[in-house]
Amino acid sequence: KAGVTQTPRYLIKTRGQQVTLSCSPISGHRSVSWYQQTPGQGLQFLFEYFSETQRNKGNFPGRFSGRQFSNSRSEMNVSTLELGDSALYLCASSLGLRGNTEAFFGQGTRLTVV
Amino acid sequence: GESVGLHLPTLSVQEGDNSIINCAYSNSASDYFIWYKQESGKGPQFIIDIRSNMDKRQGQRVTVLLNKTVKHLSLQIAATQPGDSAVYFCAENGGSQGNLIFGKGTKLSVKP
Repeated sequence: KAGVTQTPRYLIKTRGQQVTLSCSPISGHRSVSWYQQTPGQGLQFLFEYFSETQRNKGNFPGRFSGRQFSNSRSEMNVSTLELGDSALYLCASSLGLRGNTEAFFGQGTRLTVV
Repeated sequence: GESVGLHLPTLSVQEGDNSIINCAYSNSASDYFIWYKQESGKGPQFIIDIRSNMDKRQGQRVTVLLNKTVKHLSLQIAATQPGDSAVYFCAENGGSQGNLIFGKGTKLSVKP
């Protein structure tokens, strides 16, 4: 079966712009989590959605937001981009809520802010 | 190249040798652990998981050991191959209500 699909794979944006990233989880998976990966900070948790509701949130500013649709697809949005937002954004899907079942990652979206 | 940031510990092994990658986890309430492999330019790939009611679990060429007393996790790779070269992360769940918390990673380099 198809894995986790993230689009787009690469993005270049200018400071101050906003961006929307998309994640389609594995079929049947209802939980989608988002992570930011940078060389300096490693993998950091952004938020998790389950059944269209945000269930958990990491320590990121309000410029980072997300949502989940009824088909479990999820989007995350970053507004007023800063240079420091340049990172690999990863989403992971799992059957149940985080922490108790296998979580599978997509290939990520590489965001570069210039 | 990469900017200044995390300096990953590196493990260099000869092809065919066994590899052991270690991880110290932080939360004594964690009851589920996962090892991931991440190759350059790709997302983390699930390798093996273990729950806290076990201290050992085996997969194909991989074994995970869990020592709850000292909050230590290890990943053993048998007969390491060049394709095993990657960064390996351990992740813990911080208790069933927590999100996955990732370690900093270990870079495995396999010499042919």
